Amino acid sequence: NAGVTQTPKFQVLKTGQSMTLQCAQDMNHNSMYWYRQDPGMGLRLIYYSASEGTTDKGEVPNGYNVSRLNKREFSLRLESAAPSQTSVYFCASSGLAGISYEQYFGPGTRLTVT
Amino acid sequence: QQPVQSPQAVILREGEDAVINCSSSKALYSVHWYRQKHGEAPVFLMILLKGGEQKGHDKISASFNEKKQQSSLYLTASQLSYSGTYFCGTDGYSGSRLTFGEGTQLTVNP
Repeated sequence: NAGVTQTPKFQVLKTGQSMTLQCAQDMNHNSMYWYRQDPGMGLRLIYYSASEGTTDKGEVPNGYNVSRLNKREFSLRLESAAPSQTSVYFCASSGLAGISYEQYFGPGTRLTVT
Repeated sequence: QQPVQSPQAVILREGEDAVINCSSSKALYSVHWYRQKHGEAPVFLMILLKGGEQKGHDKISASFNEKKQQSSLYLTASQLSYSGTYFCGTDGYSGSRLTFGEGTQLTVNP
């Protein structure tokens, strides 16, 4: 089992460019999440998907969109990147929605916007 | 609302004990604890549910005081491998969406 995988691992964008971060899990989890982590800070929730077919905003959704493509895959799109979006992005997944299960994190995508 | 962790940082010598606290202003259903090493992803340590028992594994344990909306993580006889940043994540209902604290940086020296 690969667990949670993310691509790419590193990315540099110019202001105004767009990109999609990909995330996939092979644990048959229902819930998936996107977080961002700024230097020396905790994790802030961008968007989450409690189950296939649903998505909801988290604490910091502005400037981002998501797609829950199927049960395995959850992508994050930056339509017009800004320097304030320079961060490390983590995807995570957890078991059944509605019950508090541990979250499994992917290795992260390190994004720099110049 | 983001839980508050204390202390922000702690430095130990191998074999010493440490306590990390996590406090919320909201009623909590569960508290999660994660550890993150530099440049890596957070890794799950344990979860404490409302009405549940104190959890632990090896020399790391935790408690959850529902009335005070607080949780504490106890690391006993610390090892070098315990170094990292510890995050608590809280949720205020029986769901799986977490709000994380800003973390406690733990350094264990030989």
